[in-house]
Amino acid sequence: EPEVTQTPSHQVTQMGQEVILRCVPISNHLYFYWYRQILGQKVEFLVSFYNNEISEKSEIFDDQFSVERPDGSNFTLKIRSTKLEDSAMYFCASSEAGGGRSPLHFGNGTRLTVT
Amino acid sequence: AQSVTQLGSHVSVSEGALVLLRCNYSSSVPPYLFWYVQYPNQGLQLLLKYTSAATLVKGINGFEAEFKKSETSFHLTKPSAHMSDAAEYFCAVQAQTSGSRLTFGEGTQLTVNP
Repeated sequence: EPEVTQTPSHQVTQMGQEVILRCVPISNHLYFYWYRQILGQKVEFLVSFYNNEISEKSEIFDDQFSVERPDGSNFTLKIRSTKLEDSAMYFCASSEAGGGRSPLHFGNGTRLTVT
Repeated sequence: AQSVTQLGSHVSVSEGALVLLRCNYSSSVPPYLFWYVQYPNQGLQLLLKYTSAATLVKGINGFEAEFKKSETSFHLTKPSAHMSDAAEYFCAVQAQTSGSRLTFGEGTQLTVNP
């Protein structure tokens, strides 16, 4: 079964550094998402992306965050200047259609540790 | 806006016993509802979803959930727990509009005792 793949599985960075988290969504999917889960807390929505633009973003997704689909297969999340509170598990997801008509398929996540 | 409440952050059952994980939702519009499972060091895997067809939804691994509008609930059940069911379970709600976000509950850690 096709999978969403995320790299790296674990990223350690120093406060103030830029990080790029990478995702390869399922190939025929059109909607892409980033969620995050801070240790011990619930999974939170960050952003959804369709047709090469952001379709929805949460209040967490401020100017420090950006997303990009640089080619036909990758979907990236960039954090411009990381803060300690950005430490979390970041999940990429994709779906064929939006609005619940097709389920989200999640990757295994990237654990980001900011020191 | 929509929200989800999962009652019980930890549930422990014996192998072979009934599993009942509770989820109540709040939504201003008819929602889609989902249960996801997360095994250690893995991503979120869809167990089942409710999208306004049948109110009793069957999912993978013998799980099912019933949508009860009057109770705003979507509880997850399995008649007989297996050791391999030990994982964290998340209920999630999504409004029926294109591209809308999934809102997750806080999760329930299921432990299955031999």
